[in-house]
Amino acid sequence: RKEVEQDPGPFNVPEGATVAFNCTYSNSASQSFFWYRQDCRKEPKLLMSVYSSGNEDGRFTAQLNRASQYISLLIRDSKLSDSATYLCVVNDDYKLSFGAGTTVTVRA
Amino acid sequence: DVKVTQSSRYLVKRTGEKVFLECVQDMDHENMFWYRQDPGLGLRLIYFSYDVKMKEKGDIPEGYSVSREKKERFSLILESASTNQTSMYLCASRRGANQPQHFGDGTRLSIL
Repeated sequence: RKEVEQDPGPFNVPEGATVAFNCTYSNSASQSFFWYRQDCRKEPKLLMSVYSSGNEDGRFTAQLNRASQYISLLIRDSKLSDSATYLCVVNDDYKLSFGAGTTVTVRA
Repeated sequence: DVKVTQSSRYLVKRTGEKVFLECVQDMDHENMFWYRQDPGLGLRLIYFSYDVKMKEKGDIPEGYSVSREKKERFSLILESASTNQTSMYLCASRRGANQPQHFGDGTRLSIL
């Protein structure tokens, strides 16, 4: 079983729509969690950290469910510029595990 | 802003060559990492370093070595390049455990 699993998508949504997707992790001792976005042929860039109580950054909302061992990302009012691959990262002290990514395409 | 700089964006080398990929960060970060990313396989950890002169094998260290003589610089070495090492190589750094990583622009390496 992979340590971090994501639905690869693609999620094709119209502008203005809401899109949400999850990432499950296998290590219950994992301590910190992040969402990154990666554009085609570019490096991953930190989108947001994920806190236990959930957190928002503008149109983006991240949630953590420790009991069920998943994190989620919700994007409201999607923009064309949100088209990217979203990677979840799970950290257990020094070891980081990356999901393979969820591809989101926002169409006009 | 954190700046992680990789020495080359694109590199073409020949089979059997010794290849050096350099990475420098300017934020006094303790930890540094080297990954490769291939289509369908995601990011895979090659080596990482907790601190100067320290190194640890990641998930796919075979065919690679690393050097961290100074805190800001982490070098990846392909001892004898092979065609299956053609890939996108990404360097990352972070302040410490449980902190987010910051990535360099990546090096697209082709081995002919």
